[in-house]
Amino acid sequence: GENVEQHPSTLSVQEGDSAVIKCTYSDSASNYFPWYKQELGKRPQLIIDIRSNVGEKKDQRIAVTLNKTAKHFSLHITETQPEDSAVYFCAAYNGNYQLIWGAGTKLIIKP
Amino acid sequence: DAEITQSPRHKITETGRQVTLACHQTWNHNNMFWYRQDLGHGLRLIHYSYGVQDTNKGEVSDGYSVSRSNTEDLPLTLESAASSQTSVYFCASSPDRNTIYFGEGSWLTVV
Repeated sequence: GENVEQHPSTLSVQEGDSAVIKCTYSDSASNYFPWYKQELGKRPQLIIDIRSNVGEKKDQRIAVTLNKTAKHFSLHITETQPEDSAVYFCAAYNGNYQLIWGAGTKLIIKP
Repeated sequence: DAEITQSPRHKITETGRQVTLACHQTWNHNNMFWYRQDLGHGLRLIHYSYGVQDTNKGEVSDGYSVSRSNTEDLPLTLESAASSQTSVYFCASSPDRNTIYFGEGSWLTVV
């Protein structure tokens, strides 16, 4: 079945720098890749997503890229701010109508 | 505004007791899900439903059950609570099985 690996598990960056989180998936039938942000004590919330017919998508300071050949997708956050501190989850929607989740990345923004 | 609500938000129960966590959504989504979240394990799917009278087991369904008698509700029952079921539980719904909207979570402690 589908497997999603997410790296790194923890990422610490200086405020204002960029952060990149990477996920790889195994099922070539996967066609939808969302990213969720979860602040401490809160629910996960969708921040950006990408479908398999698109290579890149941007929304202000965040972007997601998809490489279908290599089966990996990445979240890019530019000009990081303190409010970006959170746990980020990637997921892949496989052919069996289920979202398969990565293990999460804790992003720490250092002042 | 349409939303998804969980109750109770916090509960302490004793080992062996039956516990039911309620989930109610007003989006009229056919697809509903229950996840548990534990440190080091990310989000793990317990049960899911794609419509009224439809229920399916997820990856960690042992000790849990759900029922779907209408579109709005998917209650999660722990038949005989165990300490290993101490966790944060998130209900979620989706219009299309891949874009997931989470409830605020239910913190359950089994003592």
